[in-house]
Amino acid sequence: NAGVTQTPKFRVLKTGQSMTLLCAQDMNHEYMYWYRQDPGMGLRLIHYSVGEGTTAKGEVPDGYNVSRLKKQNFLLGLESAAPSQTSVYFCASSTYGESARLEQYFGPGTRLTVT
Amino acid sequence: GENVEQHPSTLSVQEGDSAVIKCTYSDSASNYFPWYKQELGKRPQLIIDIRSNVGEKKDQRIAVTLNKTAKHFSLHIIETQPEDSAVYFCAASFTVRRALTFGSGTRLQVQP
Repeated sequence: NAGVTQTPKFRVLKTGQSMTLLCAQDMNHEYMYWYRQDPGMGLRLIHYSVGEGTTAKGEVPDGYNVSRLKKQNFLLGLESAAPSQTSVYFCASSTYGESARLEQYFGPGTRLTVT
Repeated sequence: GENVEQHPSTLSVQEGDSAVIKCTYSDSASNYFPWYKQELGKRPQLIIDIRSNVGEKKDQRIAVTLNKTAKHFSLHIIETQPEDSAVYFCAASFTVRRALTFGSGTRLQVQP
């Protein structure tokens, strides 16, 4: 049981390049999230998904797109990277149901630098 | 949307002392309040959480209190140890949506 995994761990992009970050979870969780963490700050929600085939915008969605084609995977895309997107990206997942455990399980993070 | 404010931003205590971190939230619909510990270069790890139908929760040396009327909640760590040194984040969410709004973090340093 690997929990939540993220690929890649590190990446350096030039301004204008594109890339996709992959998040995978093996806990059969319905909910998945993408957060970004800038130095000295808390995590901010980019996009999230409440189930396969659904996505929704979070607090800071501009410049990012997401897809949830399979329940276990949640992809975050940067179409044209900008230096302001330099950050650590965390994926998380959680289960569903009012009485269920509400804990979000985080992946190890992807450190992205845009030059 | 929800806004979570966290204080202080840094906290230094002597080993064995207590530490208190406070957070306020803006959305009265929020009903789930977790606390995460994050060590340098690592992912956030849940250390304790509380739902809005509970006023206090304890787990060994840590406790969380919630005042729904005032919309604030606090993390209490007693008998601090050097390994408690880390950045602590509070967060709030509404259970149906689940997505968390985080505070800006408190860097706790426990001096041996």
